[in-house]
Amino acid sequence: AQRVTQPEKLLSVFKGAPVELKCNYSYSGSPELFWYVQYSRQRLQLLLRHISRESIKGFTADLNKGETSFHLKKPFAQEEDSAMYYCALSGGRGSTLGRLYFGRGTQLTVWP
Amino acid sequence: SQTIHQWPATLVQPVGSPLSLECTVEGTSNPNLYWYRQAAGRGLQLLFYSVGIGQISSEVPQNLSASRPQDRQFILSSKKLLLSDSGFYLCAWSVQLVGEQYFGPGTRLTVT
Repeated sequence: AQRVTQPEKLLSVFKGAPVELKCNYSYSGSPELFWYVQYSRQRLQLLLRHISRESIKGFTADLNKGETSFHLKKPFAQEEDSAMYYCALSGGRGSTLGRLYFGRGTQLTVWP
Repeated sequence: SQTIHQWPATLVQPVGSPLSLECTVEGTSNPNLYWYRQAAGRGLQLLFYSVGIGQISSEVPQNLSASRPQDRQFILSSKKLLLSDSGFYLCAWSVQLVGEQYFGPGTRLTVT
């Protein structure tokens, strides 16, 4: 069955330190993976998706099919990165998996 | 451009009272629509999704129901609220069932 696991409910780092938010998934096909972010008092919004292979706000995420992981990384965390981050999975085009599956989220706090 | 609205923004209701939360989307046709509940420590839980008028899929059996009376309108209802229905309810839409979703501002429901 499809599942998304974010093992850390809370993560705290100091400004300028590297940060990695972990995401592991379970899916037998070729998934599409996403990271969503929710800043304080703002809407949940897409941060990045693996098929775009892009860096957004300094964040990158690489899909590792061997380890079934999609960890979110940033080399130098900023205070404005403090937010709730959700990893999500869908079955990809042509899949019968009809929707996004979200992890439970990781609350990131970046201290000054 | 597309926008999504939810109302009310906050709601306090007594146990046993009915519920109606509304979500509307503008600027797109035949969107896929979703209702989620966001609870602290439990992440984002999909409650219902709809691929068209009158087509509702339920993900979790519970005290709630959903309806889609018009193409861009999605309603979450309950006949009798329970204390456990308290939470933050998010509506979302997407173009494709597998892919990026766009979220509304949410409704904070407190059942007393």
